[in-house]
Amino acid sequence: KAGVTQTPRYLIKTRGQQVTLSCSPISGHRSVSWYQQTPGQGLQFLFEYFSETQRNKGNFPGRFSGRQFSNSRSEMNVSTLELGDSALYLCASSRQQNEKLFFGSGTQLSVL
Amino acid sequence: QKEVEQNSGPLSVPEGAIASLNCTYSDRGSQSFFWYRQYSGKSPELIMSIYSNGDKEDGRFTAQLNKASQYVSLLIRDSQPSDSATYLCAVNIDTDKLIFGTGTRLQVFP
Repeated sequence: KAGVTQTPRYLIKTRGQQVTLSCSPISGHRSVSWYQQTPGQGLQFLFEYFSETQRNKGNFPGRFSGRQFSNSRSEMNVSTLELGDSALYLCASSRQQNEKLFFGSGTQLSVL
Repeated sequence: QKEVEQNSGPLSVPEGAIASLNCTYSDRGSQSFFWYRQYSGKSPELIMSIYSNGDKEDGRFTAQLNKASQYVSLLIRDSQPSDSATYLCAVNIDTDKLIFGTGTRLQVFP
């Protein structure tokens, strides 16, 4: 069974640009969560989608958005990038909410 | 107060010893608790899940939960250098958000 797939693996952008990250969950998993990981803050919850609906959102500005498609694949978008957005963005999937999460390898975003 | 708190470490233990990792959480309604291991440069991987008060054992790992004290711990018996990693505690908050602590870095020296 394929694991959680995130693309791209690495991304370099400049301030003010926007970026879209993609996540394909494990087959049969309907919940997709996104996290931002930085050395100082650890894993910060961004949002969680279940059956194409955003069920939960963390404390991030509106520049961070996401969506989930009918096949459970998810994308997250960050607009007007700031230097502080440089981080590892991790996607995780689970069969249902509140179940164990399986993580992808992440997208390492660098904002210059 | 942070929702999920862990000591950042590093926790250094000799090979063969028991490593004890601790985590406290703020939401009394939390029902699901997880321990993840993250090696440097890798993504977190699930080690244990626990839902009821008491102990749950899986090989060299034992998770302990005390909901009254809002405390969850992970014991690693016969620690090996390959156990050296950051251990993340995760707790469901507001019933449906999984929130992670900042992690405890464990170092097992030969």
